[in-house]
Amino acid sequence: NAGVTQTPKFRVLKTGQSMTLLCAQDMNHEYMYWYRQDPGMGLRLIHYSVGEGTTAKGEVPDGYNVSRLKKQNFLLGLESAAPSQTSVYFCASQGLVSTGELFFGEGSRLTVL
Amino acid sequence: GENVEQHPSTLSVQEGDSAVIKCTYSDSASNYFPWYKQELGKRPQLIIDIRSNVGEKKDQRIAVTLNKTAKHFSLHITETQPEDSAVYFCAASRGDMRFGAGTRLTVKP
Repeated sequence: NAGVTQTPKFRVLKTGQSMTLLCAQDMNHEYMYWYRQDPGMGLRLIHYSVGEGTTAKGEVPDGYNVSRLKKQNFLLGLESAAPSQTSVYFCASQGLVSTGELFFGEGSRLTVL
Repeated sequence: GENVEQHPSTLSVQEGDSAVIKCTYSDSASNYFPWYKQELGKRPQLIIDIRSNVGEKKDQRIAVTLNKTAKHFSLHITETQPEDSAVYFCAASRGDMRFGAGTRLTVKP
């Protein structure tokens, strides 16, 4: 039982390149989230999903896209990376209801040059 | 959307003292209020949570209080220890979990 797994854990991109972060959970959770963490700004919600095939915007969705084609996976895409997207990205999953513990992945550190 | 504000941003206490971190939220529909602890280089981990039908919850040295009317909730840590040093985040949820900016707690031996 791995919990929540993020890949890759580290990545360096050049401005304008694209990439996808993968989040996988093996707990059969309905809810999944993508956050970014920047110094002094806490965890800011990018996008989230309340179930397979659904996605919704969070507070900082611009420049990112997501997909939830399978219940266990939540993908975060950057179509044209910008230096402002340099951050640590955390994926989290949550059980059957939205009032329960978030289980976080280990984080993915992305640097855009 | 929900807006969560957290104070103070940094807090330094002597070992054995109490620490209090306060948060306010904007959306009266929020009904779940967790607190997470994040150590350096690690992922956030839940330490305590409270739901909107409860005013106070305690777990050993940690307690959380909720005032729904005023839309604020607080984390109380008693008898602080050096291993309590970390960044603490409050959050509020009505379906999408929003976090405060965090409080860096330092417990000096």
